Amino acid sequence: EVQLVQSGAEVKKPGESLKISCKGSGYSFTSYWIGWVRQMPGKGLEWMGIIYPGDSDTRYSPSFQGQVTISADKSISTAYLQWSSLKASDTAMYYCARLPSLVSRLRYFDYWGQGTLVTVSS
Amino acid sequence: DIQMTQSPSSLSASVGDRVTITCRASQSISSYLNWYQQKPGKAPKLLIYVASSLQSGVPSRFSGSGSGTDFTLTISSLQPEDFATYYCQQSYSTPHTFGQGTKLEIK
Repeated sequence: EVQLVQSGAEVKKPGESLKISCKGSGYSFTSYWIGWVRQMPGKGLEWMGIIYPGDSDTRYSPSFQGQVTISADKSISTAYLQWSSLKASDTAMYYCARLPSLVSRLRYFDYWGQGTLVTVSS
Repeated sequence: DIQMTQSPSSLSASVGDRVTITCRASQSISSYLNWYQQKPGKAPKLLIYVASSLQSGVPSRFSGSGSGTDFTLTISSLQPEDFATYYCQQSYSTPHTFGQGTKLEIK
């Protein structure tokens, strides 16, 4: 069974750093892209970026480039989303999701993590 | 970035109704259009990919159509469990942008 299990909720102060995780299981972790999606409170879905754990190829949305870092450790089948200096506006639910391909018809998020709620408040 | 615009933003309907949601892309995206359903407090769920292909396990009352810039999601006969928010997403080029969502509420 394919599963993406995300790390737990976080409460941080502005200026702090944070790294949240997404562990994949039940499939070949290095053969699928992992993406990150932001959902601010009461708002819609925003595509942040993706990483291919096989070779660490990473693509960012221009809206998030330089604001976050996406990485992966294929030895433990885990992808990460990190911030070096959080802002109150980073308060949101963050989802990871699996993307089978960027070049075939299979360009969709087929499995999703349960979400990680990040709250940034002084 | 390719902009995706859904209409309507919200919709009230009754069980048994036929409902159509529209999604328009700011440029041609061929058939690289996906639809997701999200219920409160839950992760989104893939319904339709490449405009009209039904994801495994999704009821056949859901269907999608369109190509180029204009797409539709149709629910042929609304069931109680279909009341949720629906998002389109283009996967023609990165970033794979989402529409703003359509909230489907019970009338």
